Amino acid sequence: DADVTQTPRNRITKTGKRIMLECSQTKGHDRMYWYRQDPGLGLRLIYYSFDVKDINKGEISDGYSVSRQAQAKFSLSLESAIPNQTALYFCATSEPSGSNEQFFGPGTRLTVL
Amino acid sequence: AQSVTQLDSQVPVFEEAPVELRCNYSSSVSVYLFWYVQYPNQGLQLLLKYLSGSTLVKGINGFEAEFNKSQTSFHLRKPSVHISDTAEYFCAVNGDGGATNKLIFGTGTLLAVQP
Repeated sequence: DADVTQTPRNRITKTGKRIMLECSQTKGHDRMYWYRQDPGLGLRLIYYSFDVKDINKGEISDGYSVSRQAQAKFSLSLESAIPNQTALYFCATSEPSGSNEQFFGPGTRLTVL
Repeated sequence: AQSVTQLDSQVPVFEEAPVELRCNYSSSVSVYLFWYVQYPNQGLQLLLKYLSGSTLVKGINGFEAEFNKSQTSFHLRKPSVHISDTAEYFCAVNGDGGATNKLIFGTGTLLAVQP
C-alpha cells in the first residue's frame, strides 16, 4: 500500500467552483506539504504544516487554503477555482529531522475550465 | 535567498551513453542537496541526497552526484543510461541547515533516452 495517497487523482472542474484535494499518509510523519507543478516551473510550495496546530504559507498561497484534520491528513482547498490553477498538485511528508527528505504522493491533476 | 538552477530543460541522449544533468545552487549557509526523479504519470521519488561527509554520493539505479562547494554545484551523472531512465529529474536544496525544513526545487530537466 502507498505511504502517501492523494484523492482524487484527476479532477476537471469549472471556474468559480470550490474544490478540495485530500492527502493521507501512513508514514507517521509530523510534517506535510502541498506543492503545485507547472511545466517549466518545477515544484512550488503552497502550504506546509509541521503539526496539527501549525500551518504556514508557502511561496504561492494566494487562492488556496488548507486544513490539517489529523496528523495523517492534510487537505488543500481552492475556494473559487480559476483556470490558472490548472496544474499537477503534490502532497509530501517528512520527519522532523534536519535533512528534510520528503516523500511524495502520486499527484492530483486538476483542470479548471 | 536560496535558489536552484537547472540550466538544461531537456537532455537528449542515446541509450548506453553517459549523461550529466547539471544543478547549481545558491545559499549562504550549509546545505542539504537532493535529486528526485519523476517518471511519467508518477510522483517524485528520491534518487540520492547529500547531507555531509563524502562529496560523491551514490543513489539508486546507478546514478551518482558530486557535491562541489566551491562551485556550488551538485551535478547528477550516470555512466550508461537505459531507455527506462527517461524521466524528469529535479534538483532540490534545503539551504539553511534545516532551520526551516523547506525544500527549494529547480525547474527540472527532462532526460530523453533514445534507442
